[in-house]
Amino acid sequence: EAGVVQSPRYKIIEKKQPVAFWCNPISGHNTLYWYRQNLGQGPELLIRYENEEAVDDSQLPKDRFSAERLKGVDSTLKIQPAELGDSAVYLCASSLEADQYFGPGTRLLVL
Amino acid sequence: GNSVTQMEGPVTLSEEAFLTINCTYTATGYPSLFWYVQYPGEGLQLLLKATKADDKGSNKGFEATYRKETTSFHLEKGSVQVSDSAVYFCALSDRGATNKLIFGTGTLLAVQP
Repeated sequence: EAGVVQSPRYKIIEKKQPVAFWCNPISGHNTLYWYRQNLGQGPELLIRYENEEAVDDSQLPKDRFSAERLKGVDSTLKIQPAELGDSAVYLCASSLEADQYFGPGTRLLVL
Repeated sequence: GNSVTQMEGPVTLSEEAFLTINCTYTATGYPSLFWYVQYPGEGLQLLLKATKADDKGSNKGFEATYRKETTSFHLEKGSVQVSDSAVYFCALSDRGATNKLIFGTGTLLAVQP
């Protein structure tokens, strides 16, 4: 069974530029999560989707972050414009029931 | 609010040594508890879990017991290997409508041959 797929794996951009991350969850998993992991910290939830509906986006900085999950499968997380403090690893996870399965993450560096 | 506290690392051990990584939690209700492992350059992998008091989760020689009276979920392994070198995260989930995972800060384990 294929795991959660994320791309790109690494991204380096200059501040004020836009950036987007893509996630393909495990087939059949209706719940999708985006987490941000700062250096030396544990992941923190940004947004959770049930199918195509965002059911928890309370931690998403909505002035610059946006996300979508069209058709309830793949998801895209966007930052526009990026700031230096957005440098982190962005993790996508999916679940069918309680257990969450994580992708390898996208490591973002904002210069 | 809910939170997880785990011992700071790095933890450096020799191969075949006994491992303990402490984890305590604060939560309302009855959370599920997890240990995730992150190998260098990889995403988080679920290592083990426990969903109610006195449950013991186990996998790959690792164990952790859900202790409600001490609000703890310490990770143990009797004999570590070099391949166990990774960052270990303790986490809880409220099992409610959000199923949100709350993680500790992670503990780096380095096993030397």
